[in-house]
Amino acid sequence: LAKTTQPISMDSYEGQEVNITCSHNNIATNDYITWYQQFPSQGPRFIIQGYKTKVTNEVASLFIPADRKSSTLSLPRVSLSDTAVYYCLVAPEDSSYKLIFGSGTRLLVRP
Amino acid sequence: NAGVTQTPKFRVLKTGQSMTLLCAQDMNHEYMYWYRQDPGMGLRLIHYSVGEGTTAKGEVPDGYNVSRLKKQNFLLGLESAAPSQTSVYFCASSYTLAGATLDPDLYNEQFFGPGTRLTVL
Repeated sequence: LAKTTQPISMDSYEGQEVNITCSHNNIATNDYITWYQQFPSQGPRFIIQGYKTKVTNEVASLFIPADRKSSTLSLPRVSLSDTAVYYCLVAPEDSSYKLIFGSGTRLLVRP
Repeated sequence: NAGVTQTPKFRVLKTGQSMTLLCAQDMNHEYMYWYRQDPGMGLRLIHYSVGEGTTAKGEVPDGYNVSRLKKQNFLLGLESAAPSQTSVYFCASSYTLAGATLDPDLYNEQFFGPGTRLTVL
């Protein structure tokens, strides 16, 4: 299973764009890149998933370069409610039981 | 549509006691999971199930047993609780390709319950 590396913590201010980069050097050909968000005292929540190039939904964008050895989660114009832990995971298509949650990135959004 | 629910929300046990945590989902998902999360850590997979009547070990299965007698329910049992099992337990469920969605953007989406906070004294 591919190992991921992401920053332990990040600080930002309301209204700024936040980019969290995840490294996954040994990603396999059929692995998808998935991001989850977890608020205190809640279970994680799926944010976005992609395989290559760029994926955008109503919450975030995911940028994946051609070599797929890293990915960047982009949160536009963050608010205080975006303060959470963000997890980057890689797993093969339709193998959600192989998801490995690391320690994640703690994002603190300040007023 | 309640999603994933967990019972109980909180529990305090004494060392050596047993208990069962119940997870229920109403989304007709095939896959179900039990995770534990220790303070400041990510989630670790205890056991999972890929369908009714099936179970499999995850990353940290020792000290736990599971059963999936009905598709919508996944039970996690602690036969003899230990202080090292003090943690927050999360249940989750997900689709498969053969299930309700063929959307590639949702292949690895797991739906989580609210968690059970367990303290073993």
